[in-house]
Amino acid sequence: DQQVKQNSPSLSVQEGRISILNCDYTNSMFDYFLWYKKYPAEGPTFLISISSIKDKNEDGRFTVFLNKSAKHLSLHIVPSQPGDSAVYFCAATTNYGGATNKLIFGTGTLLAVQP
Amino acid sequence: SQTIHQWPATLVQPVGSPLSLECTVEGTSNPNLYWYRQAAGRGLQLLFYSVGIGQISSEVPQNLSASRPQDRQFILSSKKLLLSDSGFYLCAWDRDNSPLHFGNGTRLTVT
Repeated sequence: DQQVKQNSPSLSVQEGRISILNCDYTNSMFDYFLWYKKYPAEGPTFLISISSIKDKNEDGRFTVFLNKSAKHLSLHIVPSQPGDSAVYFCAATTNYGGATNKLIFGTGTLLAVQP
Repeated sequence: SQTIHQWPATLVQPVGSPLSLECTVEGTSNPNLYWYRQAAGRGLQLLFYSVGIGQISSEVPQNLSASRPQDRQFILSSKKLLLSDSGFYLCAWDRDNSPLHFGNGTRLTVT
């Protein structure tokens, strides 16, 4: 049972435009959500996160939106740059603030930003 | 600064052979340590985590085991590999509610 779903395996965007990556979840007990970015031959790196008590968090070009009623979150990248080309993983946890970081990950979306 | 080392980067092993993947963290003490796996077409799945030396929690029953012989060392093992053990294995650490920090992973192919 996939509790965190990224239904788009890939996305192609022109440089300078907005990239929108989507993530759906099924567990209403998730209280913290994260986005990780992964380049080939490297491990994922943390990008941005949001607590379930918020509906938006912004960090530079990256903004994450959370819609709890729809159990949906999205990552917006504006403007997109070729260096943003990577696999993006959505993750969630029911254990925010707990002793361990037991994250549930989606399957990832490959973003390609075309120059 | 903290760094995490994971090796080897790639590994090809025959079915029935043993496995040992090692992960070490530098620049911090008493981290939480994790092993994740990504199988083809799947998300990252948590396999094991450890909050201290000798303390291992298993998330998914399987053909693998983990050990933490030292504070910053985490080992993933198998006595006899199965074809289904193929995948991308990632070690990670965190501490004090920081985001997870991942190593570069090991691509394991069981033939």
